[in-house]
Amino acid sequence: GAVVSQHPSRVICKSGTSVKIECRSLDFQATTMFWYRQFPKQSLMLMATSNEGSKATYEQGVEKDKFLINHASLTLSTLTVTSAHPEDSSFYICSVYVQGARGYTFGSGTRLTVV
Amino acid sequence: KQEVTQIPAALSVPEGENLVLNCSFTDSAIYNLQWFRQDPGKGLTSLLLIQSSQREQTSGRLNASLDKSSGRSTLYIAASQPGDSATYLCAVRRRTGANNLFFGTGTRLTVIP
Repeated sequence: GAVVSQHPSRVICKSGTSVKIECRSLDFQATTMFWYRQFPKQSLMLMATSNEGSKATYEQGVEKDKFLINHASLTLSTLTVTSAHPEDSSFYICSVYVQGARGYTFGSGTRLTVV
Repeated sequence: KQEVTQIPAALSVPEGENLVLNCSFTDSAIYNLQWFRQDPGKGLTSLLLIQSSQREQTSGRLNASLDKSSGRSTLYIAASQPGDSATYLCAVRRRTGANNLFFGTGTRLTVIP
């Protein structure tokens, strides 16, 4: 159990365009999902907490208008990078927390390159 | 604020050697601690989860210990194999407040055949 699917795994987009990343929980319902960003050779930094049916909670320094999060169902959260710029190029990864022995489960990540 | 540190940042060992990765955290009020493995360009794979009330967890060749009072955890890998080469991350979840993880900076392990 606790499988998280993230799509796409890799995307290249032009500067100024928007990119949507999907995170799906395949075998359980997730009222909360977490979005992280990871720059090369650095650790994961939490961007926002996605809450089903309500607004996401953003970490300090993360622009909510630039990184739009939608959590419309118990199995899907999306992160849209709007008006992407080269400095947004990074590895984005989602996760969910499963109570009990499994703890946090992560998606496979999305490598975004803005050219 | 919780800060998580991992030492060493990188480690190279010959195949078959036993090794220990270290993780330290500044706030001992944790809910649990989790060790992950990350292969280049990939997501995270959970290795072991230790609840705050536990001292250690074992899975195959892996053993993770937790000393909450001193803010330390270790990941012991026995009889290392080239397939163990990856970046190992430890992360803690706080006992109160938001339930997100605080990650360490990782240890990049290379096991030389």
